[in-house]
Amino acid sequence: EAGVAQSPRYKIIEKRQSVAFWCNPISGHATLYWYQQILGQGPKLLIQFQNNGVVDDSQLPKDRFSAERLKGVDSTLKIQPAKLEDSAVYLCASSISGTGIYNEQFFGPGTRLTVL
Amino acid sequence: GQNIDQPTEMTATEGAIVQINCTYQTSGFNGLFWYQQHAGEAPTFLSYNVLDGLEEKGRFSSFLSRSKGYSYLLLKELQMKDSASYLCAVRDDLSGGSYIPTFGRGTSLIVHP
Repeated sequence: EAGVAQSPRYKIIEKRQSVAFWCNPISGHATLYWYQQILGQGPKLLIQFQNNGVVDDSQLPKDRFSAERLKGVDSTLKIQPAKLEDSAVYLCASSISGTGIYNEQFFGPGTRLTVL
Repeated sequence: GQNIDQPTEMTATEGAIVQINCTYQTSGFNGLFWYQQHAGEAPTFLSYNVLDGLEEKGRFSSFLSRSKGYSYLLLKELQMKDSASYLCAVRDDLSGGSYIPTFGRGTSLIVHP
């Protein structure tokens, strides 16, 4: 079974530039999560999708971050414009469902973003 | 909202036993996960507890007390490869049956010979 795919693996940009990350979840997984993990901290949930609908985006800085999952499969996360404090690893995860009593998350390898 | 607390760092000796604690405060508890994360890698699932008690899986066990808002991860027969960050994550039950996970900062475990 193929895992969660993410690209790119690494990205270096200057502040005020834009960047986009792509995620392909495990086939059949209805729930998709985007996390931001700053060095030395745990993952912080940015947005959670159930199929193509948003379940929670309360911690997504909506003035600069946006995410979509148009067909309920792949997802993109965009930052526009980037700030220095956005330097982090962006993790995508998926689970079979977000509404069952048990939903183990499978994580992708992450995208390491450096903003200069 | 949630507040999850776990120690920042722990050290232990190869072959020994170590217990990593996690305390949490949440309004709609619906399960607690432990994940392992090696440096530069993505987290991988270790265990899940939703009812009180101990869940054992090989060298790893996880315990939950919902009334105390407390969990621990127990690692036995430590190996060098167990050096990693251990993340406690609590799932909140939103209205409508959707579950939102929140991770703690992680406990960095260093295993030395």
